[in-house]
Amino acid sequence: DAGITQSPRHKVTETGTPVTLRCHQTENHRYMYWYRQDPGHGLRLIHYSYGVKDTDKGEVSDGYSVSRSKTEDFLLTLESATSSQTSVYFCAISRNTDTQYFGPGTRLTVL
Amino acid sequence: DQQVKQNSPSLSVQEGRISILNCDYTNSMFDYFLWYKKYPAEGPTFLISISSIKDKNEDGRFTVFLNKSAKHLSLHIVPSQPGDSAVYFCAASPNAGGTSYGKLTFGQGTILTVHP
Repeated sequence: DAGITQSPRHKVTETGTPVTLRCHQTENHRYMYWYRQDPGHGLRLIHYSYGVKDTDKGEVSDGYSVSRSKTEDFLLTLESATSSQTSVYFCAISRNTDTQYFGPGTRLTVL
Repeated sequence: DQQVKQNSPSLSVQEGRISILNCDYTNSMFDYFLWYKKYPAEGPTFLISISSIKDKNEDGRFTVFLNKSAKHLSLHIVPSQPGDSAVYFCAASPNAGGTSYGKLTFGQGTILTVHP
């Protein structure tokens, strides 16, 4: 299994508060991705990174920002959480943009 | 606009029989396709993939078929086992290894239940 961890694994927060989710990899893969999973939608890409400090938006990026200051860490920030951001968030990594390997997920509840 | 669709939300199969999961796509730029399996409270696990230059790829009990003209792919599991019970997602990527950065578009998922 790819060495990917996500923290926290569960979080409950209140509307309007900032939240940061962390993805950490030990594989030294160049590409990292954040997805959210919601019923009826499968997984949808939020943001991705193609190198340190190189990031871009995905399909559902509104309300989210990311940062990647070193190869192993990719942070997803909700500046002001809303109830519509209640979801399960998955990080993924890829060595060369073909197969992606996923972390265990973070379940976020925004009250 | 759902570019990747799995039209069957669920599938129930008897142990030992074949499971066939289907996936349709609309974007002709997709050229790399993957299947993932997901258990509750875990991340998706990569199963098998296929490039658009092929029409079939096999790995043990799992075979993926690609029909480019119909924009359709399917995953066959033979024989099915109770441990295969999970949610299966198909995913597609344009220009794998190129400038698309590997961005995946997923279907909604199909819940497979294999009965003993």
